[in-house]
Amino acid sequence: TQTVSQSDAHVTVFEGDSVELRCNYSYGGSIYLSWYIQHHGHGLQFLLKYYSGNPVVQGVNGFEAEFSKSDSSFHLRKASVHWSDSAVYFCAVSGYAQGLTFGLGTRVSVFP
Amino acid sequence: AQTIHQWPVAEIKAVGSPLSLGCTIKGKSSPNLYWYWQATGGTLQQLFYSITVGQVESVVQLNLSASRPKDDQFILSTEKLLLSHSGFYLCAWRQYRDWGIYAEQFFGPGTRLTVL
Repeated sequence: TQTVSQSDAHVTVFEGDSVELRCNYSYGGSIYLSWYIQHHGHGLQFLLKYYSGNPVVQGVNGFEAEFSKSDSSFHLRKASVHWSDSAVYFCAVSGYAQGLTFGLGTRVSVFP
Repeated sequence: AQTIHQWPVAEIKAVGSPLSLGCTIKGKSSPNLYWYWQATGGTLQQLFYSITVGQVESVVQLNLSASRPKDDQFILSTEKLLLSHSGFYLCAWRQYRDWGIYAEQFFGPGTRLTVL
């Protein structure tokens, strides 16, 4: 059984601030982790993924995430947010071929 | 470039009526295909996945069925809608990779279903 926990339901930041979104997982096999962004009423857009190698992975639009096996975590970060980053962010875990198991999501609100 | 198209964009249906939602992927051969359901304001739950034409695996039982009649097409359907079927349905694809190599999933724009 694989589970994903996103501890923050809602995060509020100001434009130019940094942000970190937390994700913890449990999974017994080879791990594949990813982050997606969903703007209101739209489908999901892929941000970044990790399955091996360098634990810090770079994604689109300045996002990066760091994998920690010891903490079972895959936190997402951005150094300077823009108003267009306001959205819901989903962390997901997957085994091979199967689909994704998502966390409950973190809503990010960016204020000017 | 690959494109993923879902139809219809939105549906309003009566309880007990039938439903058919479609998904087409262009520009990729033999993708893995997935259906997800998202309750309003909620997370996504995987419903079905398919690795090849004619083969579909069910992940959760929600009185829905899925079929893959063509390599690039994935259909979600039910004979009788329930109120609990309301939500946002997303189709996704992932390119087949060799064992141990993972590829990201790409999602369609979704279909919003309202059951009254």
